[in-house]
Amino acid sequence: QSVLTQPPSVSAAQGQKVTISCSGSSSNIGSNHVSWYQHLPGTAPKLLILDNDRRPSGISDRFSGSKSGTSATLGISGLQTGDEADYYCGAWDTSLSAWVFGGGTILTVL
Amino acid sequence: EGQLLESGGALVQPGGSLRLSCAASGFTFTTYVMSWVRQAPGKGLEWVSDISGSGSTTHYADSVKGRFTISRDNSKNTLYVQMNSLRAEDTAVYHCAKVVLHCDGGGCHARYFDLWGRGTLVTVSS
Repeated sequence: QSVLTQPPSVSAAQGQKVTISCSGSSSNIGSNHVSWYQHLPGTAPKLLILDNDRRPSGISDRFSGSKSGTSATLGISGLQTGDEADYYCGAWDTSLSAWVFGGGTILTVL
Repeated sequence: EGQLLESGGALVQPGGSLRLSCAASGFTFTTYVMSWVRQAPGKGLEWVSDISGSGSTTHYADSVKGRFTISRDNSKNTLYVQMNSLRAEDTAVYHCAKVVLHCDGGGCHARYFDLWGRGTLVTVSS
């Protein structure tokens, strides 16, 4: 059971937009920055969003992040087949003094 | 931008030991906190351990505390984890990751991971 809760899977048609939610608590998302990672098994995970809503250099503006209270959301617009991957949210947990990840969400582009 | 390359994964029996390595390049290794993050088969990412740039400060997840030891050799730009008393539940792909810190009056902690390796597979089985 992960400390941060994500839906196991989401799907949407090519070209459409999808959102992935990440729910936590006051000790993690509610008081610390959220980041998002894209992971294709067998490859290195990639940082997509840092500090809740900022994109690293080189990340497409099709990816967006937001945070409200103890929840965060990753948005992916203009879906492409190459976006099919596992997506993880993460944050520092002040109570646990540890980094915590969500359980991951599998994105399928129809 | 940098690169991280893990090695050392293998099949090991329960109760056995293994040391993983992570060779870093393309950034000033000594100035960054480094972490190990693992992914068990069919499971999500799990933070395992981290170590300060100097190597003087380490942290561990409860699941590995007392069994795993993280270390680094800054002269070789290499991160290590020594894994002892291995259990079946330690079976996973182990990734190393470069940490960007958040620091305030309460101290410093991980803010995000901006560079990852593709991982090395550890299988604990008899």
